[in-house]
Amino acid sequence: ETGVTQSPTHLIKTRGQQVTLRCSSQSGHNTVSWYQQALGQGPQFIFQYYREEENGRGNFPPRFSGLQFPNYSSELNVNALELDDSALYLCASSIGTGVYGYTFGSGTRLTVV
Amino acid sequence: AQRVTQPEKLLSVFKGAPVELKCNYSYSGSPELFWYVQYSRQRLQLLLRHISRESIKGFTADLNKGETSFHLKKPFAQEEDSAMYYCALSWGSGGSNYKLTFGKGTLLTVNP
Repeated sequence: ETGVTQSPTHLIKTRGQQVTLRCSSQSGHNTVSWYQQALGQGPQFIFQYYREEENGRGNFPPRFSGLQFPNYSSELNVNALELDDSALYLCASSIGTGVYGYTFGSGTRLTVV
Repeated sequence: AQRVTQPEKLLSVFKGAPVELKCNYSYSGSPELFWYVQYSRQRLQLLLRHISRESIKGFTADLNKGETSFHLKKPFAQEEDSAMYYCALSWGSGGSNYKLTFGKGTLLTVNP
């Protein structure tokens, strides 16, 4: 059984650029959520995908967008990067509703300069 | 809106001492609560979940709806328990899948 894998592990971007982060969910998991974890904070919910459709969104602007593919892998796209977007981005997957919890990836560390 | 509060940013105990990590929540619905743990240089992982009423690595947590709390307890702390602990509330609405709201975390250090 494979876990949740994310790529890349680290990324440095310039303010105003666009970035795409990738996530492969754990085998058999069809729900994928993305979280932003700023330094010293707990993870904050960005959005969730279930069966290739957005299934809920946190308090993030529209320049944060995503996709889920038929194999349940997912992308997080951020346009017009701002310095405050610097954070650890976590992907988490679960089977179905997620009521029993989520499996997390190791994250992508994004630094915006 | 839902909220999770972990009042202690840092907690330091000696090996063999009891430990309690506090978690309070605010949620208008029926709460499902979790504790996640992150050991040094490792990914966030599920420690235990209220819905399963389980004990993992000697840790237990009881949901107290009257006090809106879900404190994590262990009677005898071990050095390998040193880690960052996050309390999380699972919520969903309108038939959508569950999402997690996390507290800010408590860094537990168990001294020899």
